Amino acid sequence: QVQLQESGPGLVKPSGTLSLTCAVSGGSISSTNWWNWVRQPPGKGLEWIGEIFHSGSANYNSSLKSRVTISIDKSKNQFSLRLTSMIAADTAVYYCVKKGGGGSPFDSWGQGTLVTVSS
Amino acid sequence: DIQMTQAPSSLSASVGDRVTITCRASQTIYNYLNWYQQKPGRAPKVLIYGASSLQSGVPSRFTGSASGTDFTLTISSLQPEDFATYYCQQSYTTPFTFGPGTILDIK
Repeated sequence: QVQLQESGPGLVKPSGTLSLTCAVSGGSISSTNWWNWVRQPPGKGLEWIGEIFHSGSANYNSSLKSRVTISIDKSKNQFSLRLTSMIAADTAVYYCVKKGGGGSPFDSWGQGTLVTVSS
Repeated sequence: DIQMTQAPSSLSASVGDRVTITCRASQTIYNYLNWYQQKPGRAPKVLIYGASSLQSGVPSRFTGSASGTDFTLTISSLQPEDFATYYCQQSYTTPFTFGPGTILDIK
């Protein structure tokens, strides 16, 4: 059973950059899975941010594409999210999520980490 | 982007009730439709994938069905632990998109 754990700062200043890392345990990040980030503003719905495969191939939500980068570190079995030019609307719980190939669902989720954008 | 809508946005029901939540996609997604349950302070959990396949470990009172771009989640007999928010999500193409959610609470 793959487990995921997010880590990173809980507070980011406006115009700053968010960096989060997701540690994967119980399985290899080099498997045939896609590694995703999903976020949820307080009291609101879910938004897919993007995904990466172990090859480094990545897909991003066009709404964030100019600000987001997802990277992977196979040696550490982890992947990361970088989101630049943070604004208050980026305040959310950020989840790292595993998804199988093709049309698979998001089947394993981290516990989530709340990131607040505030000065 | 594919837009997902859900109805109702909220629903009050009693233990033992049969409830149905609907989801509609703005274009064909074939059966690449998944249902999630989320409880306060917790990550979502997949219940149904591929429109009608039950995720391992999920009780059989949860069923999913599809008709074109319309999808339904049915809970046959509500249990106390089923009161939560439910989201549909399309996994047909990126950007993957979620419905706005249906809050199921106790009547």
